Amino acid sequence: TQLLEQSPQFLSIQEGENLTVYCNSSSVFSSLQWYRQEPGEGPVLLVTVVTGGEVKKLKRLTFQFGDARKDSSLHITAAQPGDTGLYLCAGAPGNQFYFGTGTSLTVIP
Amino acid sequence: DVKVTQSSRYLVKRTGEKVFLECVQDMDHENMFWYRQDPGLGLRLIYFSYDVKMKEKGDIPEGYSVSREKKERFSLILESASTNQTSMYLCASSRDHLNQYFGAGTRLSVL
Repeated sequence: TQLLEQSPQFLSIQEGENLTVYCNSSSVFSSLQWYRQEPGEGPVLLVTVVTGGEVKKLKRLTFQFGDARKDSSLHITAAQPGDTGLYLCAGAPGNQFYFGTGTSLTVIP
Repeated sequence: DVKVTQSSRYLVKRTGEKVFLECVQDMDHENMFWYRQDPGLGLRLIYFSYDVKMKEKGDIPEGYSVSREKKERFSLILESASTNQTSMYLCASSRDHLNQYFGAGTRLSVL
């Protein structure tokens, strides 16, 4: 059983479409991070959300932390081929850090 | 920018060999981590270290050991490589154990 469940596992969309991916848990997190991993590379930190209900924007990417701090979402507006990659959420409910299984996004030109 | 450097991008080893994976970070981070990444299983923590000469087991430490003799260097050791250790290995470092910075990864094949 994964502490952080991400959905969908795979997503393939056309350039210009919008999408949302989800990260859910039954545990409460003091913060959650989102990473993007391109093929053959390590994950790169995109954002950290720390307050319940918080919304952060990074250009066309909008991140939201759930009010109860158990879940988060990532919304991408007008997806581009450069957004292709594996999106991972991560957090530490206690001392240990956990990653979700990820959402693999492919944006087709 | 934080730089985390892993010594090899690709490595091919034989079953039973002793394998060393090296990781160096240049940002004076206290915390360093070793993960393996497998399709469908995500990133799984093997070992981590919060200080020099200190190590803690992660979720899957069996078959692995680590060494942290200097703050900037964290080594992962496969004492006797087996085929089920074929994987992508990722090293990370952080100042606060939350916002982790990753190396590019080492893709290890054990034949």
